[in-house]
Amino acid sequence: QQQVKQSPQSLIVQKGGISIINCAYENTAFDYFPWYQQFPGKGPALLIAIRPDVSEKKEGRFTISFNKSAKQFSLHIMDSQPGDSATYFCAAIMDSNYQLIWGAGTKLIIKP
Amino acid sequence: KAGVTQTPRYLIKTRGQQVTLSCSPISGHRSVSWYQQTPGQGLQFLFEYFSETQRNKGNFPGRFSGRQFSNSRSEMNVSTLELGDSALYLCASSLSAGVTYEQYFGPGTRLTVT
Repeated sequence: QQQVKQSPQSLIVQKGGISIINCAYENTAFDYFPWYQQFPGKGPALLIAIRPDVSEKKEGRFTISFNKSAKQFSLHIMDSQPGDSATYFCAAIMDSNYQLIWGAGTKLIIKP
Repeated sequence: KAGVTQTPRYLIKTRGQQVTLSCSPISGHRSVSWYQQTPGQGLQFLFEYFSETQRNKGNFPGRFSGRQFSNSRSEMNVSTLELGDSALYLCASSLSAGVTYEQYFGPGTRLTVT
């Protein structure tokens, strides 16, 4: 019940295309869902986050779509650029225990 | 504003030794969390501290311990190192998990156990 399942494991997208990464969770007590971007040799950086009372959140080229009934959320990267090539992690957290539960990560490669 | 800093960045230790890693959070942040990142297990939560108190602990053996000081700086200690402890250890800070869940990560300490 504590798991967050992330797919795909790796993704190759052409420059200018849309990158889509999906996550699913079981525990309905989660109340905050962030996405992190990690470059090699760096720590994860918070990209965008959403709460379950919102169905979509957009920041620049990055959009989170949230489906509460299906217990799924996804990250869409519009107009993908080579600089977006990184590993992306979805995560979930609940107020009661302060720990991020992480997806397994998606290695995204944007081909020029 | 300076980000989260972690020292040292790289460390090589021998099995059976112990190690202490340090984390300085963003100024004003009072919550510090530690995570272990490995290719096989991904990112796993170690523990979280707020105002010098451990509020939650992950499923790691007692060899992994931590503490937080009054200035919010935190240390984690691993005793009797095993080969499987080789990993990237990440520290993250946030204002407080009760106010915001936004956690900001440092660059990590790469620990290699030989």
